[in-house]
Amino acid sequence: DAKTTQPPSMDCAEGRAANLPCNHSTISGNEYVYWYRQIHSQGPQYIIHGLKNNETNEMASLIITEDRKSSTLILPHATLRDTAVYYCIVSPLTGTASKLTFGTGTRLQVTL
Amino acid sequence: GAVVSQHPSRVICKSGTSVKIECRSLDFQATTMFWYRQFPKQSLMLMATSNEGSKATYEQGVEKDKFLINHASLTLSTLTVTSAHPEDSSFYICSARGTGNEQFFGPGTRLTVL
Repeated sequence: DAKTTQPPSMDCAEGRAANLPCNHSTISGNEYVYWYRQIHSQGPQYIIHGLKNNETNEMASLIITEDRKSSTLILPHATLRDTAVYYCIVSPLTGTASKLTFGTGTRLQVTL
Repeated sequence: GAVVSQHPSRVICKSGTSVKIECRSLDFQATTMFWYRQFPKQSLMLMATSNEGSKATYEQGVEKDKFLINHASLTLSTLTVTSAHPEDSSFYICSARGTGNEQFFGPGTRLTVL
């Protein structure tokens, strides 16, 4: 059973912010929210992860709702190179259950 | 981020032969490595989890005798596809996790079985 739900595809104009939503209504208290992306025919690339506080790094920002049932990945200024499939995954940080199970993701197309 | 390499990047083999794929963590020690498979237009499917020095844990439906995993050191894991058949043709991706708990992925190996 998928633990996260994401829209299958989204478009974004280059230079604009890309906001990718993810629903994880059954998330457990010890599970983190991870975001990875996969550019065609490459291995997934780590973007960001968080537990309950909003997080920001050089690539993106992660906004997690207070009830932790959903989150949004924000790419502040999308470029053509951000075109990829984005995966939202929930997983414990440690332990035997700590493994990344990929769903179908959101295919983000950045256009001129 | 940390670097994970895979070798070979692409391999073509005849049906019935075995193929070994290597996964290396280049700048960190990986206590746990993971192997995934991805068919065209599909998502990644976790095949197995391996911890250094112990037997791999396979996901349901993955044949452990067909997909042999060895994690002999903290920087190397190998996946051997035994008696490969055309339906084993796929994109095989490994990932490695160190003490920082972040998981880094290799570039993938594309296997084609003729």
